[in-house]
Amino acid sequence: EAQVTQNPRYLITVTGKKLTVTCSQNMNHEYMSWYRQDPGLGLRQIYYSMNVEVTDKGDVPEGYKVSRKEKRNFPLILESPSPNQTSLYFCASRPLAGGVETQYFGPGTRLLVL
Amino acid sequence: QQQVKQSPQSLIVQKGGISIINCAYENTAFDYFPWYQQFPGKGPALLIAIRPDVSEKKEGRFTISFNKSAKQFSLHIMDSQPGDSATYFCAASIRGGADGLTFGKGTHLIIQP
Repeated sequence: EAQVTQNPRYLITVTGKKLTVTCSQNMNHEYMSWYRQDPGLGLRQIYYSMNVEVTDKGDVPEGYKVSRKEKRNFPLILESPSPNQTSLYFCASRPLAGGVETQYFGPGTRLLVL
Repeated sequence: QQQVKQSPQSLIVQKGGISIINCAYENTAFDYFPWYQQFPGKGPALLIAIRPDVSEKKEGRFTISFNKSAKQFSLHIMDSQPGDSATYFCAASIRGGADGLTFGKGTHLIIQP
């Protein structure tokens, strides 16, 4: 089954404690991205990657890092989380040649930073 | 500056009625306009999309109306059903979706039985 998986699905942490949210896809997609969803703000892109070792900032990259060492994985790293990063995070993937018609979203990771 | 404005924020419709959600955009370079449906605990899923060379696209009970001159597009859900209760996002993209998506803020739709 084609899917995007995220772990963990729920996470409670404290300010300043480094964390990583993993994202993995089994569709051999080149393009992967991270979004955050906040009430009343919709989804905003944090970072995206067009292929292995190629990453770029989205609309709200501050406080986040990503890496793309393997095609299937695109972890989101919060080096020093702050309460304003409390949010619902979605990973997405699609073929580079395909448009958003072929984009799959993961199930989401709900993060609470105390 | 918000590039895609969506309204209303929330909407309650009786079963069998028509649900209408509106979006407006500023960037004339946008050339792909999808709508996403999101159920609680799930990621957004593509519902229907339109390109600016047509004024309307219909898929089952879902219709997108597009007004290029007004820079507006809307989602119509005919014969709304309780199972349509979800959050709906409009979005826009450049280069037919090859670039990232700019999302509206979302509409929480409730269909009352």
